[in-house]
Amino acid sequence: GAVVSQHPSWVICKSGTSVKIECRSLDFQATTMFWYRQFPKQSLMLMATSNEGSKATYEQGVEKDKFLINHASLTLSTLTVTSAHPEDSSFYICSALLPGSLQHFGDGTRLSIL
Amino acid sequence: AQRVTQPEKLLSVFKGAPVELKCNYSYSGSPELFWYVQYSRQRLQLLLRHISRESIKGFTADLNKGETSFHLKKPFAQEEDSAMYYCALSGRGGYQKVTFGTGTKLQVIP
Repeated sequence: GAVVSQHPSWVICKSGTSVKIECRSLDFQATTMFWYRQFPKQSLMLMATSNEGSKATYEQGVEKDKFLINHASLTLSTLTVTSAHPEDSSFYICSALLPGSLQHFGDGTRLSIL
Repeated sequence: AQRVTQPEKLLSVFKGAPVELKCNYSYSGSPELFWYVQYSRQRLQLLLRHISRESIKGFTADLNKGETSFHLKKPFAQEEDSAMYYCALSGRGGYQKVTFGTGTKLQVIP
C-alpha cells in the first residue's frame, strides 16, 4: 500500500513552454503533498508544501509564479513549471503524506528544457 | 533552523566489511530522524526511522542526542547495499516538512 504515482517520468520541451507534472496517491488520501527538486549528485531540496483546498506554502527562494502548484483533490497535486528555461532542467520529486504516518515518494520526473 | 550534515559524499568498502554512514543534525526541539535509500534507477524509500528502533536489511541507527548524530551502521556490507543513502530530519508529529542531508553514495566492492 501507500503508492504514489508521478507522471510523466521524463519530459523534454522547448524553452518558453509550460510543463505540468502530476502526483497522485493511488491508494490513500493525502491532505498534504510535497514537491522537491534534485540537481545531479545533490540532495532533495523542498520547493513547496501542497495542501488540499488551499494555497501551497513555498520555501524561501522558490518563485511561486514560476512553479504553480494545485492540490484540487485529496489524491492529486500538480506542479506546473511556467515558461520553462534550461536552468529549470532538473529532477522533480513529489511525496504524499500518509495521514498519521510518513511521506511516500513518487518515482520522480526528469525535466529537460532545450 | 533544521539542518542535516552528511560529511561523506562517497564511501567505498569491501564486501563483508563494516559500514558506518555518518549523519549529524541541528534542530531546536525533539526531532524525528530517518534514513532513506535510493537504489539505482529506483525511487527514494524509507530505510528506517529512529523511533522504530528496528533493524532493516541489517542496518541499524541510534539517535545520540548528546552528539546530535544518527549514524547508520551495518556489520557486514553486501554488494546489494550499494546505493545513495540520505539522512533526514523532521519535527515530531505529522505534517512536518522533511529536511534531507546531501547524501552518501555507498559503494560495496566485491
